[in-house]
Amino acid sequence: GAGVSQSPSNKVTEKGKDVELRCDPISGHTALYWYRQRLGQGLEFLIYFQGNSAPDKSGLPSDRFSAERTGESVSTLTIQRTQQEDSAVYLCASSLVPDGPYEQYFGPGTRLTVT
Amino acid sequence: AQKVTQAQTEISVVEKEDVTLDCVYETRDTTYYLFWYKQPPSGELVFLIRRNSFDEQNEISGRYSWNFQKSTSSFNFTITASQVVDSAVYFCALPSNYNQGGKLIFGQGTELSVKP
Repeated sequence: GAGVSQSPSNKVTEKGKDVELRCDPISGHTALYWYRQRLGQGLEFLIYFQGNSAPDKSGLPSDRFSAERTGESVSTLTIQRTQQEDSAVYLCASSLVPDGPYEQYFGPGTRLTVT
Repeated sequence: AQKVTQAQTEISVVEKEDVTLDCVYETRDTTYYLFWYKQPPSGELVFLIRRNSFDEQNEISGRYSWNFQKSTSSFNFTITASQVVDSAVYFCALPSNYNQGGKLIFGQGTELSVKP
């Protein structure tokens, strides 16, 4: 079946502009996660959704970052007034349920470059 | 606190050599799971294995094997007879909570380069 998809694959934006990143999880997966990976670094958790609710937003670095999920499916991560330090690969993952034992399946990521 | 340490930043081997990637973890949970993921140059993380804390038996899958030792809080990954296609960044990960949320805490990754 189809895996996790993300769009766009690459995004170049000017400092101060807003961007929206999209994630389509695997069908039927109730949990959806956003991570950020800076160049040469590990993955940094941003937010996760259970259904359309976000029980844990603890990883969002500032109020410029927000995310929503609709229809227990597609999620959008929005970054307002982008800064150069926002440049990174943004990875989305989904899992059947949001519990520890369940492996997360990752999308190919969106590479964001803020100039 | 939950923490994963992969002390080896980069490893370079010649094809057909065996290589072991180290992973040491800290957890407050008595029941937990551990994961390994592979990130090839294309960038997409690929799930390799999940291991629960109840089972300390070593696991083998083809050229891959995993050694889980609770006594030393380690979950090491060995590739036997490495191949160029094994070149990637490998991440060890631990859920932040056993049964709430499941967000993964990742190590910093080990970049493996297998040269022909």
